[in-house]
Amino acid sequence: EDQVTQSPEALRLQEGESSSLNCSYTVSGLRGLFWYRQDPGKGPEFLFTLYSAGEEKEKERLKATLTKKESFLHITAPKPEDSATYLCAVQVPGNTGKLIFGQGTTLQVKP
Amino acid sequence: DAGVIQSPRHEVTEMGQEVTLRCKPISGHNSLFWYRQTMMRGLELLIYFNNNVPIDDSGMPEDRFSAKMPNASFSTLKIQPSEPRDSAVYFCASKSWQGMDTQYFGPGTRLTVL
Repeated sequence: EDQVTQSPEALRLQEGESSSLNCSYTVSGLRGLFWYRQDPGKGPEFLFTLYSAGEEKEKERLKATLTKKESFLHITAPKPEDSATYLCAVQVPGNTGKLIFGQGTTLQVKP
Repeated sequence: DAGVIQSPRHEVTEMGQEVTLRCKPISGHNSLFWYRQTMMRGLELLIYFNNNVPIDDSGMPEDRFSAKMPNASFSTLKIQPSEPRDSAVYFCASKSWQGMDTQYFGPGTRLTVL
């Protein structure tokens, strides 16, 4: 069964304290892995798409990496405005666009 | 670009009433997805459409749920009759089949069934 697991469920950091969020997946034939950010009361906001092992994408303080079994979202020197829930999703095989989401990691960055 | 538009943003209703949620996808996108988000189950896909045609409704929880897409710029998700366990945030997302696979989400509708 296709499955996505994110860890930790919650993460508290001090401003400037770098860390990583994990997304492990089991899917037969990964078509794409997506990272979204979700603020309270809002819809998920797209961050990155990764398609193949070894691929990396960066945006400001965020860097996403992908291996054959997992993806990491590295946060370098986070700021309070980085506080949000980060969602990982995998696209199932076939030309459907169907995504399976993990439960998310809620990040709190304290000043 | 206006992004995905959903209405209403909040809906409070009583058990047994009919509820209709609305979605306008991004112009030019020809795939539309309805999701439900709860604390217990996270973000779950309910149904999706390609070119206004329902492709996969295996995530629709019961016959009480139905969705339509009468044209490329409008979709509805209807719950009849509603039950307290339907309380959740419902999101609509759209994407284009040309190139990128990225789904763009609307702001959601928070549904409370009393």
